[in-house]
Amino acid sequence: QQQVKQSPQSLIVQKGGISIINCAYENTAFDYFPWYQQFPGKGPALLIAIRPDVSEKKEGRFTISFNKSAKQFSLHIMDSQPGDSATYFCAASIITDKLIFGTGTRLQVFP
Amino acid sequence: DARVTQTPRHKVTEMGQEVTMRCQPILGHNTVFWYRQTMMQGLELLAYFRNRAPLDDSGMPKDRFSAEMPDATLATLKIQPSEPRDSAVYFCASVRGHSNQPQHFGDGTRLSIL
Repeated sequence: QQQVKQSPQSLIVQKGGISIINCAYENTAFDYFPWYQQFPGKGPALLIAIRPDVSEKKEGRFTISFNKSAKQFSLHIMDSQPGDSATYFCAASIITDKLIFGTGTRLQVFP
Repeated sequence: DARVTQTPRHKVTEMGQEVTMRCQPILGHNTVFWYRQTMMQGLELLAYFRNRAPLDDSGMPKDRFSAEMPDATLATLKIQPSEPRDSAVYFCASVRGHSNQPQHFGDGTRLSIL
């Protein structure tokens, strides 16, 4: 029940395309759903986060779509750029308690 | 720009040796997390503290791992004795507890046990 399932494991997108990463959870007590971006040799850094009282949150080219009834949420990267190439982790937690991370998606954006 | 600082950044040592990793959380953050990242298991929570008191260390092998917060500016993770399977990147993260702020991660300690 504590798991967060993430797909795909890897994603290759052409520059200007849309990258979509999906996550699913079981624990309905989760109330905080962040996405982290990690570059090689660095720690994960918060990209965008959503709480379950809204269905979508947009920040620049990054959008989280949240489906509470399906217990799923996804990250959409519009106009993907080579600089977006990184590993992306979804996560879930209860407020700011311990984060349960997905397994990560390695995104490669080719020019 | 406030950052979580981890030392050392890299550590290579032989099996059986003691390893100590240190973390300086962001000033004012009272909750500190230790995570381990491997290719096989991804990011796993080992332990976390709030106001220097351990809240959950269920992810940590108790026989060889120990985590402490000697004071509010220092968290330590020790492995004794170390084993090759402990090779991983260890991350520390901090947050102001019960706030709407995100966890801030350090850049990790890359540990290799030969």
